[in-house]
Amino acid sequence: NAGVTQTPKFQVLKTGQSMTLQCAQDMNHNSMYWYRQDPGMGLRLIYYSASEGTTDKGEVPNGYNVSRLNKREFSLRLESAAPSQTSVYFCASARGVNEQFFGPGTRLTVL
Amino acid sequence: RKEVEQDPGPFNVPEGATVAFNCTYSNSASQSFFWYRQDCRKEPKLLMSVYSSGNEDGRFTAQLNRASQYISLLIRDSKLSDSATYLCVVKGAAGNKLTFGGGTRVLVKP
Repeated sequence: NAGVTQTPKFQVLKTGQSMTLQCAQDMNHNSMYWYRQDPGMGLRLIYYSASEGTTDKGEVPNGYNVSRLNKREFSLRLESAAPSQTSVYFCASARGVNEQFFGPGTRLTVL
Repeated sequence: RKEVEQDPGPFNVPEGATVAFNCTYSNSASQSFFWYRQDCRKEPKLLMSVYSSGNEDGRFTAQLNRASQYISLLIRDSKLSDSATYLCVVKGAAGNKLTFGGGTRVLVKP
């Protein structure tokens, strides 16, 4: 099992460019999450999906959109990247209310 | 006030020593509590859940104090490999969302 995979691992964008971060899990989990991690801020929830076909905003959704393509895949899209979106992005999945399994992260720099 | 607060550290710990640190949470309705470990430039991984009665996993002991709204983590006989950032994580009363603290960095030195 690969667990949670994310692509790309690294990305540099110019202000105003768009991109999609991909996430997939092979653990048959219902819930999937997107977080961003900034120094001293901890992980902050951007969006989550409790099950296939549903998505909800988290703590910091502005500037992002998500798609729960199927049970396995949950993508995060930046329509017009801004320097404030420079961060490390983690995708996670969970079966229920306890352990969340994280992907290796995407390091995004917006110039 | 942040929902989950931690001392960022670093806690510099001699190898073999004991280190303990706390995390405070603001929502008294919080239901579940966890410690995650995050190595440098890696993803967080679950270290242990924290139960009301306290629990131990090898050299790691976690405690919950609901009255004062804090949880603690104690590491005994510290190993060099314990060097990491420890994230305090709290689940609210509803839904499956977790709230993460900013992390406490621990550096174990020979």
